[in-house]
Amino acid sequence: NAGVTQTPKFQVLKTGQSMTLQCAQDMNHEYMSWYRQDPGMGLRLIHYSVGAGITDQGEVPNGYNVSRSTTEDFPLRLLSAAPSQTSVYFCASSYSIAGDQPQHFGDGTRLSIL
Amino acid sequence: AQTVTQSQPEMSVQEAETVTLSCTYDTSESDYYLFWYKQPPSRQMILVIRQEAYKQQNATENRFSVNFQKAAKSFSLKISDSQLGDAAMYFCAYRILPNYGQNFVFGPGTRLSVLP
Repeated sequence: NAGVTQTPKFQVLKTGQSMTLQCAQDMNHEYMSWYRQDPGMGLRLIHYSVGAGITDQGEVPNGYNVSRSTTEDFPLRLLSAAPSQTSVYFCASSYSIAGDQPQHFGDGTRLSIL
Repeated sequence: AQTVTQSQPEMSVQEAETVTLSCTYDTSESDYYLFWYKQPPSRQMILVIRQEAYKQQNATENRFSVNFQKAAKSFSLKISDSQLGDAAMYFCAYRILPNYGQNFVFGPGTRLSVLP
């Protein structure tokens, strides 16, 4: 049981480059989300999805795009990387958006923008 | 705005002792769920314990227990018989019932060190 799988685990980009962080879950979860973790700020929601074909913005969506063509996959795209996007990114999923459902997290991607 | 505050950026505890991590939150919702997550150096986010706001009884999971004070909007985590493996960042979070918005809010975290 893989749970939530994120790739890559580490990435270094130059300013202006684009890239996609991959996230896949094998638990048939409806709800998937992307967070960024910065020192002293906890986790902040970037985008989320309540099901295939449905996405919406979170707290800090600027500079990021998402899509959800399948239940399993929820990639996060950086269109033109900026140093302010240097962070650790976590993908998470839960069975539904119901409040009692805890989120299952991937192992994170450490992204550095030079 | 809905926020979670963890007023202790860092704490330390002696092995086998008890430590309490504080958490307060601000929400206008009446129905929600509260969680504590642990993040060890491996960076994994691990669910420690959760509490339903409508339950008065405090949740307990082995050495971990909470003190939930709904009126005060307080949700502290007590770790008994601390072990070296408890050293980690601890995040408090709450989740409100579905509103198709940002329904999972995290605090900034408390770094716990366990001293041998």
